[in-house]
Amino acid sequence: QKEVEQNSGPLSVPEGAIASLNCTYSDRGSQSFFWYRQYSGKSPELIMFIYSNGDKEDGRFTAQLNKASQYVSLLIRDSQPSDSATYLCASRRANAGKSTFGDGTTLTVKP
Amino acid sequence: KAGVTQTPRYLIKTRGQQVTLSCSPISGHRSVSWYQQTPGQGLQFLFEYFSETQRNKGNFPGRFSGRQFSNSRSEMNVSTLELGDSALYLCASSLGTVTDTQYFGPGTRLTVL
Repeated sequence: QKEVEQNSGPLSVPEGAIASLNCTYSDRGSQSFFWYRQYSGKSPELIMFIYSNGDKEDGRFTAQLNKASQYVSLLIRDSQPSDSATYLCASRRANAGKSTFGDGTTLTVKP
Repeated sequence: KAGVTQTPRYLIKTRGQQVTLSCSPISGHRSVSWYQQTPGQGLQFLFEYFSETQRNKGNFPGRFSGRQFSNSRSEMNVSTLELGDSALYLCASSLGTVTDTQYFGPGTRLTVL
């Protein structure tokens, strides 16, 4: 079992819809969680980070964390074709420099 | 602020050779982490340097090594290259605490023939 698991996808949603991306982690020592977006041929770009249980909103993006269920999610509202990319979920323990990544979920937003 | 820079961006080597990749972090960042990204294995952690010391290490063979200089710039070296080392090598810089964020450079695409 991988330390960070993401729904394999691909995920396809129509433009304007809500895209829901999910991630579970196995290491209960994980303290911080990150969502990155990666376009094909590019490096990962940070979208959101979350440390506390609950929701965190930033524009069209909402990250949700439930430490009891070891579950992290990312909601993208009003999805745009430019949101089409692979989304990577990452966790980090107290040893700050190592992030553990899931395999990513590929999202396609259809016009 | 300038972002993370990596050089070279593309590299072609043959089996058995060695290679050195360079990463310059964001100004003020003291932590540099290196990752290998392949289609089959995803993003895997190689090692992290903080204030010139290796603070964390992933599960890679000893052929993979690194160092960090006093200006926080970091280099990664791979000796005796194998075909399986073909990958995108990414470095990420951060302040070095558990709650800060890592910012990735553009990566170095290494092809081993």
